[in-house]
Amino acid sequence: DAGVTQSPTHLIKTRGQQVTLRCSPKSGHDTVSWYQQALGQGPQFIFQYYEEEERQRGNFPDRFSGHQFPNYSSELNVNALLLGDSALYLCASSFGTGGNEQFFGPGTRLTVL
Amino acid sequence: GESVGLHLPTLSVQEGDNSIINCAYSNSASDYFIWYKQESGKGPQFIIDIRSNMDKRQGQRVTVLLNKTVKHLSLQIAATQPGDSAVYFCAEANAGGTSYGKLTFGQGTILTVHP
Repeated sequence: DAGVTQSPTHLIKTRGQQVTLRCSPKSGHDTVSWYQQALGQGPQFIFQYYEEEERQRGNFPDRFSGHQFPNYSSELNVNALLLGDSALYLCASSFGTGGNEQFFGPGTRLTVL
Repeated sequence: GESVGLHLPTLSVQEGDNSIINCAYSNSASDYFIWYKQESGKGPQFIIDIRSNMDKRQGQRVTVLLNKTVKHLSLQIAATQPGDSAVYFCAEANAGGTSYGKLTFGQGTILTVHP
């Protein structure tokens, strides 16, 4: 049973570019959440997708957008990249209905030059 | 506003000792409190959680204590092993909506276990 998978593992972009990160949830999970983890900090919630809709959103600008597909996989898109967007982007999946554990993937390390 | 913080950024212990990692939170409306372990190059790994209507919960070698009066959470690790070396995060969540909903993480405590 595969856990949460993310691709790519590492990514290097330049300022102003756009990036798409991908996540496949753990088998049986239908909810995907995205987090940004800056070096030395705890993860910060970006948004959560359930039934192909954004259900909750953290304090992130509109440059951050996402999508969930019918197979529950998800993408995180970031436009007009800034140096400060350099971070580890984590995807977490869970089975929605309340109070269920979120399983995290290994993350995608994004470096913006 | 909501915030979850940690008292100690680093903790060094000897193998076999018990470890205690502390966390303060400010949102008394949170339904769940969760401890995660994050090893270098990996995503956070669930350790144990506790509902807001509980004071204590035990797992394998770990115990989480919740003191709602002073808004304090702690993780106790018994017989700490070198494999326990990692960054430990506490997080709070609300069960409204789907699953945990938004997790709010603290800054983290670095636990180093010396053989």
